[in-house]
Amino acid sequence: GDSVTQMEGPVTLSEEAFLTINCTYTATGYPSLFWYVQYPGEGLQLLLKATKADDKGSNKGFEATYRKETTSFHLEKGSVQVSDSAVYFCALRLGAAGNKLTFGGGTRVLVKP
Amino acid sequence: GAVVSQHPSRVICKSGTSVKIECRSLDFQATTMFWYRQFPKQSLMLMATSNEGSKATYEQGVEKDKFLINHASLTLSTLTVTSAHPEDSSFYICSAPDRDRSNTGELFFGEGSRLTVL
Repeated sequence: GDSVTQMEGPVTLSEEAFLTINCTYTATGYPSLFWYVQYPGEGLQLLLKATKADDKGSNKGFEATYRKETTSFHLEKGSVQVSDSAVYFCALRLGAAGNKLTFGGGTRVLVKP
Repeated sequence: GAVVSQHPSRVICKSGTSVKIECRSLDFQATTMFWYRQFPKQSLMLMATSNEGSKATYEQGVEKDKFLINHASLTLSTLTVTSAHPEDSSFYICSAPDRDRSNTGELFFGEGSRLTVL
């Protein structure tokens, strides 16, 4: 079946460090890919998305490129801030599934001043 | 952006009782809402899809008589955990796409409801 695998956390890093969270997927079709972020005490919210191969999603300094050849959608940010501390979820959606999302396990990121 | 509100955010109940969790879309209409369960340090597991005006669709392995879902209007879905037991303790999250922007694929999530069954 369809699945999403992302690196386990927690990831702890210092402010202004470079962040990468790996995400790979398995899907029977051509999915859309998403990154959602969950800040402490809040609900998940969409961070960025890409709907087809080679698309790059970007938002708030985060980027992720849809790589069909490696079935990956790694999340990157060049210089993190304390406010980026959160749990990040990679997810996929297949067109036939409507709006149903399949999530990865989530990666907790802690940025220290 | 669109807002989804869940209530209550925390609930503690005794084993054998039933608990209702509400999910409301505050500024948009949702013909579909998704209910997830999140275990500690684990991903969100889709439990069921509620459909306004019709029966919910449950994922494999989810007991529909245990987790009653009702989608009474375009802005409200409820999840009732019946005869709750300690193993039902979890974080329950609802989400919904905006009916008028469903082609974007974006889901809007509630803040979650933490259920503790004693």
